Amino acid sequence: AQTVTQSQPEMSVQEAETVTLSCTYDTSESNYYLFWYKQPPSRQMILVIRQEAYKQQNATENRFSVNFQKAAKSFSLKISDSQLGDTAMYFCALTQGGSEKLVFGKGMKLTVNP
Amino acid sequence: NAGVTQTPKFQVLKTGQSMTLQCAQDMNHEYMSWYRQDPGMGLRLIHYSVGAGITDQGEVPNGYNVSRSTTEDFPLRLLSAAPSQTSVYFCASSYSGLGTGNTIYFGEGSWLTVV
Repeated sequence: AQTVTQSQPEMSVQEAETVTLSCTYDTSESNYYLFWYKQPPSRQMILVIRQEAYKQQNATENRFSVNFQKAAKSFSLKISDSQLGDTAMYFCALTQGGSEKLVFGKGMKLTVNP
Repeated sequence: NAGVTQTPKFQVLKTGQSMTLQCAQDMNHEYMSWYRQDPGMGLRLIHYSVGAGITDQGEVPNGYNVSRSTTEDFPLRLLSAAPSQTSVYFCASSYSGLGTGNTIYFGEGSWLTVV
């Protein structure tokens, strides 16, 4: 079974600050993939970043980076220089190698204040 | 570049009615899936398909039917709508199966209210 837990339902941060969103997961597979999705008020699901479990290096995409701690099964998202447009729901998701199912956490609402 | 197109975007149904949510993609993707999103629950997989003629159940399949007669289309049928099916529904597709970590592309969502 694969599970994803996002324990912080809501956070707020000031513009230009750095914020970290936490995610823990569980899987019995050694081959798996982790994702962070952003859902702004428009409800569109936007892929933010992707991490392959077999890669040691943490993924980065511009202001977004992850801290992937494989042994602890932790996959946090760091947003640097927060912008008003970062206000959204953020979902952590996991798919196991060989599985056709993408499992999501319950999400976290991030508000960036001016 | 249409991507994943869902229709209708909004629908109100009466309890017991049936309806079909349409999903079409123009990216020649083999994998398609349906999720529902409820407050505080994240997205939960209803059904998925890894190719034409092949479908399988996800986490919450009860009350829903799917078929995949073409690569492009993956309709979701509500057989007898219930208030518990009030939700936002997302269709998603991927070039091939998710087991190799392929990126999944989402439609814009369909808001369904059952009264």
